[in-house]
Amino acid sequence: GAGVSQSPRYKVAKRGQDVALRCDPISGHVSLFWYQQALGQGPEFLTYFQNEAQLDKSGLPSDRFFAERPEGSVSTLKIQRTQQEDSAVYLCASSPGVTNSPLHFGNGTRLTVT
Amino acid sequence: RKEVEQDPGPFNVPEGATVAFNCTYSNSASQSFFWYRQDCRKEPKLLMSVYSSGNEDGRFTAQLNRASQYISLLIRDSKLSDSATYLCVVLEYGNKLVFGAGTILRVKS
Repeated sequence: GAGVSQSPRYKVAKRGQDVALRCDPISGHVSLFWYQQALGQGPEFLTYFQNEAQLDKSGLPSDRFFAERPEGSVSTLKIQRTQQEDSAVYLCASSPGVTNSPLHFGNGTRLTVT
Repeated sequence: RKEVEQDPGPFNVPEGATVAFNCTYSNSASQSFFWYRQDCRKEPKLLMSVYSSGNEDGRFTAQLNRASQYISLLIRDSKLSDSATYLCVVLEYGNKLVFGAGTILRVKS
């Protein structure tokens, strides 16, 4: 069956540009997470959705980061006015339940800001 | 202090060796614990959950010590295919998984 799909796979942006990263979770999965993984580090939590509700956005590093999941399925992470420190792999994960369910990660989007 | 701390390694071991990784976590209210595996340039994948009584899955054994806030992973009879980064993961209130920075394992023939 289809797993979590993310696009684009790679994105190069000039500093100051806006980017939008897409996540298609596994069909029917209630929970959706965004993580940011810098080189040599573990994934860092950004935000969490339960269906269309954004229940936790405590990990978003600044107000330049915005995430949405308007219909409780596909999610978009938007980064405005990108900076070099935004360069990282952005991972999306979904899980079927609302608590203590295994996460299924997508392949990630590798963002490079030049 | 980071919420989940791991020795980054790398651990370089020969095939067939036994190797152990440790992890400590700072939040005593953490609810559940996991080990994930991440291959180079790939996404993390769940290796195993960690239960209070300790649990085993083939060559892999996980242990949890809540009093010391300490988690371990033991790999017996290491294979070349075990080479990866092992991520210690803690579930906190609100369904948030917190990852350690990972421990690199390299198994050599």
